Order: sequence, then C-alpha cells, then structure tokens
Amino acid sequence: DVKVTQSSRYLVKRTGEKVFLECVQDMDHENMFWYRQDPGLGLRLIYFSYDVKMKEKGDIPEGYSVSREKKERFSLILESASTSQTSMYLCASSQGEGFAYEQYFGPGTRLTVT
Amino acid sequence: AQKVTQAQTEISVVEKEDVTLDCVYETRDTTYYLFWYKQPPSGELVFLIRRNSFDEQNEISGRYSWNFQKSTSSFNFTITASQVVDSAVYFCALSGANTGNQFYFGTGTSLTVIP
Repeated sequence: DVKVTQSSRYLVKRTGEKVFLECVQDMDHENMFWYRQDPGLGLRLIYFSYDVKMKEKGDIPEGYSVSREKKERFSLILESASTSQTSMYLCASSQGEGFAYEQYFGPGTRLTVT
Repeated sequence: AQKVTQAQTEISVVEKEDVTLDCVYETRDTTYYLFWYKQPPSGELVFLIRRNSFDEQNEISGRYSWNFQKSTSSFNFTITASQVVDSAVYFCALSGANTGNQFYFGTGTSLTVIP
C-alpha cells in the first residue's frame, strides 16, 4: 500500500512565524503535491514537484515555498504565517506521468494561525 | 480551461436508499482522466476510481457504480443501498494531457446517510 505521511495532524502557530510542513511518501513516486482545503473551495494546488529539486507553482503559491531535496520528502514552508493561511493542508504523491495516475493523499495537517 | 463542477453541495439520504453524486467537467484535452475520491470524517482522501477519456464503459464495484458520458461531459457516481459508513465528502477530479501533472478538483459533495 502507498503510504503518505505528514509530520503533524494539528498545528497552532502565531502570526509571523515560519512554519514547516513535512510530507514523506514510501512508494518511490516521482510527483508530489501540496494542496490546501477550505470549506466551499475544494482542494487548491499550492505547489507540486515532478522530480528532486524541481518545483512548479500551482494555483495559489503566494506566501508559500517548497523544498524537495530527496525523492521521498516534500516540504511546504510558510515564510511568515498569516491568519489567512489557517487551513487544512494535504500532501499527495503519484507515479510517472502524473496526469494519468491517481494521487495518494496523506492524512492532512490542520494549521491554525493566531 | 479545465473545470469540474459538483453542483450538489450536501445530500442526505436514509440508509438503504440509492444516491447519485453528479460531476460535470470541462476540458479541451482529448486525452484526459477522471477520478473520484472519498474523504471520510477522519480527513484522508481515499482514491475510488480512475477513468480515461477513451473508455466510456460504466464500472461497478460492489455497491458503487460510475456512469461516464462524454456526450454530456459527466462522470456520475451512484451508491446503491447506502450505509452509514458511506457518509463522507466525495470529490470528483480531472487531469489532462496538456495540464502537466495538475489535477482539478470539484468543490465536493457532502453525503450524510441517516440510520
């Protein structure tokens, strides 16, 4: 079974803090993704990566950055957290030509910025 | 432009009733894939099915069935004899050969099955 794990289920941070969300997958997938999920808006893509050290912006990259130093790990960084970034963050991975394959999701991190 | 519309925001049914979740998509790609995911209260999205644009055969898996119709750009999901464990948010998603690795998700349909 594909396993995608995220470092925290719940996180509370203060405005202005630098926040790291970690994601690890164990299936040697090439592609990894970060989404945020908000009520009524569905899932919105923040960034994705199709290879180590490669990244592409998604629909809402502002205020975020990412890092992929190893194939299995994809980190989302909030440089200076704001209350508007309070959300559920979901990590996913997929194999090969990503558009043709299902994405497997982690359990999510619910981030609250106060 | 790629777009997925799930017009039903919330649905409630009584246990053992059948329920259909609608998904309408827009794409200019001739090669594309459609997906359904289930998100139970625990929060983790669970993959249910993938269908490519060249395969319009309907699919049945136990109590679940999917109806793909290119003529109406729809990929609807039916649960037969619903159970309380089916209560979840269901997402439809689209990916295309010309959209890189990006998936486009609908806004989800929240299904509540009442015992």
